Amino acid sequence: AQSVSQHNHHVILSEAASLELGCNYSYGGTVNLFWYVQYPGQHLQLLLKYFSGDPLVKGIKGFEAEFIKSKFSFNLRKPSVQWSDTAEYFCAVNAGGDDKIIFGKGTRLHILP
Amino acid sequence: DVKVTQSSRYLVKRTGEKVFLECVQDMDHENMFWYRQDPGLGLRLIYFSYDVKMKEKGDIPEGYSVSREKKERFSLILESASTNQTSMYLCASPPSSPGLLREQYFGPGTRLTVT
Repeated sequence: AQSVSQHNHHVILSEAASLELGCNYSYGGTVNLFWYVQYPGQHLQLLLKYFSGDPLVKGIKGFEAEFIKSKFSFNLRKPSVQWSDTAEYFCAVNAGGDDKIIFGKGTRLHILP
Repeated sequence: DVKVTQSSRYLVKRTGEKVFLECVQDMDHENMFWYRQDPGLGLRLIYFSYDVKMKEKGDIPEGYSVSREKKERFSLILESASTNQTSMYLCASPPSSPGLLREQYFGPGTRLTVT
């Protein structure tokens, strides 16, 4: 069965620090990968996605993620975070052809002004 | 823009009550999903539907049922609410793409409290 593991439950950074949130999945076949973000009091929204092609994908608000197939990883990065990036971040995976998207447990990111 | 709406943002119910949570999407999507979101547990899939009158159990279906009588509407039913069903409930719907599931569009969520 598919599963998604997010390494950090709670991350606290200062503004301008660099960010990397880890995500690993367990599935050996073709996968579609997502990062979602939930700002306080708002809907979950898509940050970026990987289906195929260039393993380095760029999303909204300066975020990017790299798909490393050999490591079953899809880590989220941002070179310089802002206070407005305070949110909860969810990694998600869909195994090719399956109907379900499986979410990780989320990482709460708190940026200190 | 795809719109996924949920009937209530906040709901308070008593133990044992029957609870209906409604979700409507306006883009003629075939797939619809119900999740619950709890701190430290992420999103867990309760049920999903890939067509009218079709439903599949997700990872935590116990204590819940669903109804999909029309394509745009997917209802989650708590037959007899219990306090451990206090949670944020999220409805989601991806665009229809044969053989490939695209990203989910989420509703605003219903925060249900069972007392």
